[in-house]
Amino acid sequence: AQSVTQLDSHVSVSEGTPVLLRCNYSSSYSPSLFWYVQHPNKGLQLLLKYTSAATLVKGINGFEAEFKKSETSFHLTKPSAHMSDAAEYFCVVSDASYIPTFGRGTSLIVHP
Amino acid sequence: EAGVAQSPRYKIIEKRQSVAFWCNPISGHATLYWYQQILGQGPKLLIQFQNNGVVDDSQLPKDRFSAERLKGVDSTLKIQPAKLEDSAVYLCASSFRGGANEQFFGPGTRLTVL
Repeated sequence: AQSVTQLDSHVSVSEGTPVLLRCNYSSSYSPSLFWYVQHPNKGLQLLLKYTSAATLVKGINGFEAEFKKSETSFHLTKPSAHMSDAAEYFCVVSDASYIPTFGRGTSLIVHP
Repeated sequence: EAGVAQSPRYKIIEKRQSVAFWCNPISGHATLYWYQQILGQGPKLLIQFQNNGVVDDSQLPKDRFSAERLKGVDSTLKIQPAKLEDSAVYLCASSFRGGANEQFFGPGTRLTVL
């Protein structure tokens, strides 16, 4: 069985400071991992995905994530937060069954 | 390209009533997903279709929920009868072939059960 844990329900940063959103996963097989973002009153959108190629994955809007098999982690980072980054972020795991499991989400709050 | 379409966008019903949601995926996408997203939680997969076959429906409350995807294109999700705890946003998503492919999400249907 697969599962995903987002370690923080809320993360608060100041504009221009780094962002770190943490995600740990459990999977019996080599997983595919995704980060999706949900802005208020907008649909979910893919930020980036890992599918067994390069372990450092670059996504849209300056976000990136690193797959660490030894730590079963896939943390999302961004060097400098913008006000427009304020949103809900979801980590998703999909194993060989190709059935996706979402984390509970992390709300990113960006202060001016 | 047109995105995933869902209707209605909002629905308010009394408990024990029935309700149906409709989803039209992106043209050519073989995989279609229905999710339930309760306020403050991540989306929970209810059912996943590959063309018109069911890949997974292990989290679908089959005593009250049903879904179909006739002809492998659009899909309907029905709740009969509705309970208070069914109040949520119901999301439809599609992907080219599932697996590691990106999911494209519709705007969702916000259901309120009174």
